Amino acid sequence: EAGVTQSPTHLIKTRGQQATLRCSPISGHTSVYWYQQALGLGLQFLLWYDEGEERNRGNFPPRFSGRQFPNYSSELNVNALELEDSALYLCASSLDRAYNEQFFGPGTRLTVL
Amino acid sequence: KNEVEQSPQNLTAQEGEFITINCSYSVGISALHWLQQHPGGGIVSLFMLSSGKKKHGRLIATINIQEKHSSLHITASHPRDSAVYICAVKGSQGNLIFGKGTKLSVKP
Repeated sequence: EAGVTQSPTHLIKTRGQQATLRCSPISGHTSVYWYQQALGLGLQFLLWYDEGEERNRGNFPPRFSGRQFPNYSSELNVNALELEDSALYLCASSLDRAYNEQFFGPGTRLTVL
Repeated sequence: KNEVEQSPQNLTAQEGEFITINCSYSVGISALHWLQQHPGGGIVSLFMLSSGKKKHGRLIATINIQEKHSSLHITASHPRDSAVYICAVKGSQGNLIFGKGTKLSVKP
């Protein structure tokens, strides 16, 4: 069974541009979580989608947004990129919103120049 | 004060030593996770606990719900155990709340 996949692996953008990151959950999983790990900082919760709806978001500005598609894959969009958005972005999936275990993807490393 | 506190932040051990990493949390939880992150970023889930103790190979995780405390033990440590170990709790909002991690280095 395939695990959580993310694309691209690496992404280089310049300040002010937009970035789009993609995540495919494990087959049958309906919940997708997005986390940010900036250099020197711990993992921070960004967004949670389940059954196509945003269920919760972390303490990030509105330029961080996303969506979940009918096949439960998800997209994270970061608008008006700033240098401090440079980070590893991790996606995790869970069977459903009541299930506790989350399975992580390999991450997308975003570099903003 | 962070909702999830880990100690120590850094740990250096000699191969074969018994290792303990501690995690304390201040929020109500439905589950506690121990995660491993190798250089390069990939995260592997080691354990998910809601009570008691779990063992997998040389790794043992325990949780005390009343004291809001968990420990991760590694017996007979090996250089390949070198990684960052992260404690995370699932709170009432559904998402994980992470500790800052413990960087473990096991010397041969």
